Amino acid sequence: DAGVTQSPTHLIKTRGQQVTLRCSPKSGHDTVSWYQQALGQGPQFIFQYYEEEERQRGNFPDRFSGHQFPNYSSELNVNALLLGDSALYLCASSLNRGDEQYFGPGTRLTVT
Amino acid sequence: AQSVTQLGSHVSVSEGALVLLRCNYSSSVPPYLFWYVQYPNQGLQLLLKYTSAATLVKGINGFEAEFKKSETSFHLTKPSAHMSDAAEYFCAVKNTGGFKTIFGAGTRLFVKA
Repeated sequence: DAGVTQSPTHLIKTRGQQVTLRCSPKSGHDTVSWYQQALGQGPQFIFQYYEEEERQRGNFPDRFSGHQFPNYSSELNVNALLLGDSALYLCASSLNRGDEQYFGPGTRLTVT
Repeated sequence: AQSVTQLGSHVSVSEGALVLLRCNYSSSVPPYLFWYVQYPNQGLQLLLKYTSAATLVKGINGFEAEFKKSETSFHLTKPSAHMSDAAEYFCAVKNTGGFKTIFGAGTRLFVKA
């Protein structure tokens, strides 16, 4: 049974560019959450998707957007990249209303 | 508003010694509480969770944590540290019925031979 998978593993972008990160949830899970983990910090909640809708958002600007597909996989898009967007981006999946999240290995984004 | 405070960004113990990682939370409603471990260049792995059942929770790899409502604490312990326990540990809180999980800043555990 495959766990949460994320792609790509690493990514280097230039300021002002746009990036798309992808996540496939654990089999049977229907809810996907995205987190940003800056170096030396804990993960910060970006948003959560369920039934292809964003149902809660953390304190992130509109440059951060997402999408969930009918197969429950998800994308995180970041526009107009800033140096401060450099971080590990983690995807977590869960069952709707479930309390337990399973995390993927993350995508390391470096903005130069 | 919910918050999590982990006391001590770094903790160092000798192999075989007691591990104690401290976590205090703030929540206006009964919380769910979690401890996660993160090894270098990896995602987070759930160690244990408290969801309003038994206050002493046992997790994987010999870790356990005790929910103390009066102290708003959820400290993580392990009787005897192993070299493989060296990692970053995160305490997290989530409101029952909520969607958002709030993480602490993390505590890096070092284990000396």
